[in-house]
Amino acid sequence: GQNIDQPTEMTATEGAIVQINCTYQTSGFNGLFWYQQHAGEAPTFLSYNVLDGLEEKGRFSSFLSRSKGYSYLLLKELQMKDSASYLCAARDSNYQLIWGAGTKLIIKP
Amino acid sequence: GAGVSQTPSNKVTEKGKYVELRCDPISGHTALYWYRQSLGQGPEFLIYFQGTGAADDSGLPNDRFFAVRPEGSVSTLKIQRTERGDSAVYLCASSSDREIFDFGPGTRLLVL
Repeated sequence: GQNIDQPTEMTATEGAIVQINCTYQTSGFNGLFWYQQHAGEAPTFLSYNVLDGLEEKGRFSSFLSRSKGYSYLLLKELQMKDSASYLCAARDSNYQLIWGAGTKLIIKP
Repeated sequence: GAGVSQTPSNKVTEKGKYVELRCDPISGHTALYWYRQSLGQGPEFLIYFQGTGAADDSGLPNDRFFAVRPEGSVSTLKIQRTERGDSAVYLCASSSDREIFDFGPGTRLLVL
């Protein structure tokens, strides 16, 4: 079957760095997405990886290892506004997104 | 520019009633997706349109759910004989290239 695993909740301190891990099992693979979702709002796109390696975009970076079925989202210089759920989604051979349940990130001052 | 819009933002209905949820995608986006999201869960795929046709409706849970996109732009998700288990946030997303999905704000459906 198809499955996405990510931690349910993480806590970090303002100004620090946090890494949110995601493992996936899909029928075929056509990319890995990370979305941010604030409570009561729609998901917003953060990053997309289709090749192995690290993609950096400002304070946020995303890493992919296709051979390991593994990705992580790295958030640096954490700000209070980064408190949100972070959704990992893998796209399968039919170009459908398989979503994880999300990781709720709590930032403490 | 204008993003994806969904109406209504909230809908409260009684068990057994019929509801329609509307999605206005970003202009020019040919791909349109409907998802359902329950609290603490990721989005659950319902149906995908490419243009006017439903390219994949494998996520519709049963025949009470139906969606249309007659002119390749606005889409309507229709739920017949609603049940309490249908209560969720219904998200619409559109894409020009099936790479980046732009989500609407969602419709929060509560079936009493």
